[in-house]
Amino acid sequence: SQKIEQNSEALNIQEGKTATLTCNYTNYSPAYLQWYRQDPGRGPVFLLLIRENEKEKRKERLKVTFDTTLKQSLFHITASQPADSATYLCAPGNAGKSTFGDGTTLTVKP
Amino acid sequence: DTGVSQDPRHKITKRGQNVTFRCDPISEHNRLYWYRQTLGQGPEFLTYFQNEAQLEKSRLLSDRFSAERPKGSFSTLEIQRTEQGDSAMYLCASSFVPGTGELFFGEGSRLTVL
Repeated sequence: SQKIEQNSEALNIQEGKTATLTCNYTNYSPAYLQWYRQDPGRGPVFLLLIRENEKEKRKERLKVTFDTTLKQSLFHITASQPADSATYLCAPGNAGKSTFGDGTTLTVKP
Repeated sequence: DTGVSQDPRHKITKRGQNVTFRCDPISEHNRLYWYRQTLGQGPEFLTYFQNEAQLEKSRLLSDRFSAERPKGSFSTLEIQRTEQGDSAMYLCASSFVPGTGELFFGEGSRLTVL
């Protein structure tokens, strides 16, 4: 069955540093992979989507890579800020249906 | 456009009771999804609709769960004979296909079964 693993339950970094979150998947060949942000008690909010034929995508301080050979996506937040503290979910998908990982909780300390 | 709205936001019920949640998607979206999320876990897929047709239902979903999307607009998720294990956040999301695949989530309906 499909399995999605996101690195360590929690990631703590200092303000201004780059946060790197990992998403690995097995038994799955997604056509695209999405990243979402979720704050406590709220629904997930879409951040970025990267397709299987794309290696990298950027949006402001966010960068996502997608390696279909390694079956891995990396999500980077550069110049991190305390406001970036949240849980980040990766969601590989096909034909409009996405499967979510359990998320990585990021805490950015001032 | 007010986004995806869900009602009620919170529901406390006793074991054995039936509950129903409503989701109003973004108006032009043709796909509607239901997910369930428990603390510390990611959203777990339950079912989804394209317009009024239910295209897929999770094999993990018991027969006590049923969802409808009459007329391809709002959707309801009903849980019959609730159990304590049903306690979770029930998330609704909508999207437009063909499109980017981006899901727009509501704020969820939190169910507590006593």
